[in-house]
Amino acid sequence: GAVVSQHPSRVICKSGTSVKIECRSLDFQATTMFWYRQFPKQSLMLMATSNEGSKATYEQGVEKDKFLINHASLTLSTLTVTSAHPEDSSFYICSARDPRDRIDEQYFGPGTRLTVT
Amino acid sequence: QKEVEQNSGPLSVPEGAIASLNCTYSDRGSQSFFWYRQYSGKSPELIMSIYSNGDKEDGRFTAQLNKASQYVSLLIRDSQPSDSATYLCAVNIGNQFYFGTGTSLTVIP
Repeated sequence: GAVVSQHPSRVICKSGTSVKIECRSLDFQATTMFWYRQFPKQSLMLMATSNEGSKATYEQGVEKDKFLINHASLTLSTLTVTSAHPEDSSFYICSARDPRDRIDEQYFGPGTRLTVT
Repeated sequence: QKEVEQNSGPLSVPEGAIASLNCTYSDRGSQSFFWYRQYSGKSPELIMSIYSNGDKEDGRFTAQLNKASQYVSLLIRDSQPSDSATYLCAVNIGNQFYFGTGTSLTVIP
C-alpha cells in the first residue's frame, strides 16, 4: 500500500509559540490530504481537507486562522498550529488518498504527538 | 445522531475465542466501509474494507455488511493477545471518512 510519513513524530512547545507538522506521501502524488486530531480515548475528528493548489476546507468548529494548512505540492501538506495553548495538546494524524487506487481507502501517517506546556 | 456509532466496550475475550465488533451508521447513501485497528499511541491501520452486502473474509478477519439494516461488523476468529487494540469503524460519506468512537478489545491469554 501507499506510504505516508509525518514529521516530527513528537514535539513539545511552549504556550504561545507556533508548531509546523509535515505530512508527505512518499510513493504517490496526493491531490487531497486530510488532517485529523485525536484526544485521549476519543476517536479521530476530521479537522480539514487539504487540496493541492487551493485553500483547505475546514470542518465546523475548527479555527482556520489557528490551524494553518498549506498543500503546496502533490506530496506535501503542512499543518501549522499558531499560538499554541495547552488545550491544543493532542495527537495529530494526516492521511491521503492515492488517486491510482480504484477504492477510496485513506492511508494514514504515523501521527504527531503535540504537547504544549 | 452521530454518523457512525460503536459500542465503546471494553470487550474482553479469552485467547482463541471469536471477538465480535459492531458498528451502525446513519447515512443510507454510504458506499464504502472500513475497519481500522489502532494500538495505543499509534495511528490507525486498515484491517478490512467492504463495499457490498454480505461477508468478506481475510485470514482470521471477517467483515459483514448489511446496508438494509445499516450495520457493519467485524469478526476476529482465534483471537490472539496481539489483537488487543481499539477497533475503529469508518464510513465514507460524501468523500469524507467518519469514524466511530472505537471499541476497545482485550484478548486474555
